[in-house]
Amino acid sequence: GAVVSQHPSWVICKSGTSVKIECRSLDFQATTMFWYRQFPKQSLMLMATSNEGSKATYEQGVEKDKFLINHASLTLSTLTVTSAHPEDSSFYICSAGTVAPNTGELFFGEGSRLTVL
Amino acid sequence: QKEVEQDPGPLSVPEGAIVSLNCTYSNSAFQYFMWYRQYSRKGPELLMYTYSSGNKEDGRFTAQVDKSSKYISLFIRDSQPSDSATYLCAMRGSQGNLIFGKGTKLSVKP
Repeated sequence: GAVVSQHPSWVICKSGTSVKIECRSLDFQATTMFWYRQFPKQSLMLMATSNEGSKATYEQGVEKDKFLINHASLTLSTLTVTSAHPEDSSFYICSAGTVAPNTGELFFGEGSRLTVL
Repeated sequence: QKEVEQDPGPLSVPEGAIVSLNCTYSNSAFQYFMWYRQYSRKGPELLMYTYSSGNKEDGRFTAQVDKSSKYISLFIRDSQPSDSATYLCAMRGSQGNLIFGKGTKLSVKP
């Protein structure tokens, strides 16, 4: 299957700082990227849908000013957690799809584990 | 009622057993159904991808979709300790995103 690379795989930061997570599709152009969050022993919860060249669509309850998403190219989307707090500590996973997201497969990155001290 | 229901387990079986994992869903508009395997601290890995009703087989894995009952299954034959992981069912939402079940934690004992 296609490869989605996520970086960093883990990060520890101090409360109040910002952290940027990158999601890259390595061998295909991803018009749509999805960002998920997974708390321990919970399922993946969709945070936002990112379309190349347009603003991201956030799920209810997800603060768009706190979780900044940029999808500037067909192979890169970034998630920035601004002013991180301990409750933001979680496993963040991106997934990417091709031109027809409703029919094409979605491929996942390896995830980024964020720990906020 | 949640859109996708999945028993979180844990499920423990001996090596060589046949494993049956299931999900139910409420939205009859779902047409694309997936099973993902997730090892601890890793991203989900796509195992099976099926469209509409029917069966799909890939090696030791068989996925079944029964749209009339809104019920999907994943069968693992000759289970191995390396199959120990969390298995997540997922369906494509109208916006293209995936809606996941809670995941079933499977442990295959040698």
